[in-house]
Amino acid sequence: GQNIDQPTEMTATEGAIVQINCTYQTSGFNGLFWYQQHAGEAPTFLSYNVLDGLEEKGRFSSFLSRSKGYSYLLLKELQMKDSASYLCAVRDSNYQLIWGAGTKLIIKP
Amino acid sequence: IAGITQAPTSQILAAGRRMTLRCTQDMRHNAMYWYRQDLGLGLRLIHYSNTAGTTGKGEVPDGYSVSRANTDDFPLTLASAVPSQTSVYFCASSDSAGDTGELFFGEGSRLTVL
Repeated sequence: GQNIDQPTEMTATEGAIVQINCTYQTSGFNGLFWYQQHAGEAPTFLSYNVLDGLEEKGRFSSFLSRSKGYSYLLLKELQMKDSASYLCAVRDSNYQLIWGAGTKLIIKP
Repeated sequence: IAGITQAPTSQILAAGRRMTLRCTQDMRHNAMYWYRQDLGLGLRLIHYSNTAGTTGKGEVPDGYSVSRANTDDFPLTLASAVPSQTSVYFCASSDSAGDTGELFFGEGSRLTVL
């Protein structure tokens, strides 16, 4: 079966760095997405990786290793507004998205 | 309107009632999707449409139906609601010809079936 694994919850301190991991087992691979979802709101797109390596976008970076079925989202200079759930999703060979359950990130002052 | 709009935002209905969740987008995206989100689970695809006039079943289609008469609208109907359909429903769209095919989500419809 297809599976996306990510930690349920993480806690970090304002101003620090946090890495959220995602491992996947899917039928084929056509890209990996990270979305941010604040409580009670809709998910919003953060990043997309289809080739191995690091994609940097401001304070957020996303890494992909296709051979390991592994990705991480790196958040730097954490701010209180970064408290949210972070969703990892993989597009499979049928171009359907398989979603992880999300990682709830709690930022403490 | 800019983006994707869902209605109603929230609804409580009795089991056995029929309910339609509305979804409209103004981005001219060809693909549209309905997901449900339940605590502790990832987003699960109910139905999708790759282009106007076509629809397909997702991971959890039972008890739901959709139609795609035009590019902008993609309503989701629960023919006879059951308590297990209590959930938050998200409509989304994507431009499948775009670079990433990222999804744009509506604000969600919180449905409670009693």
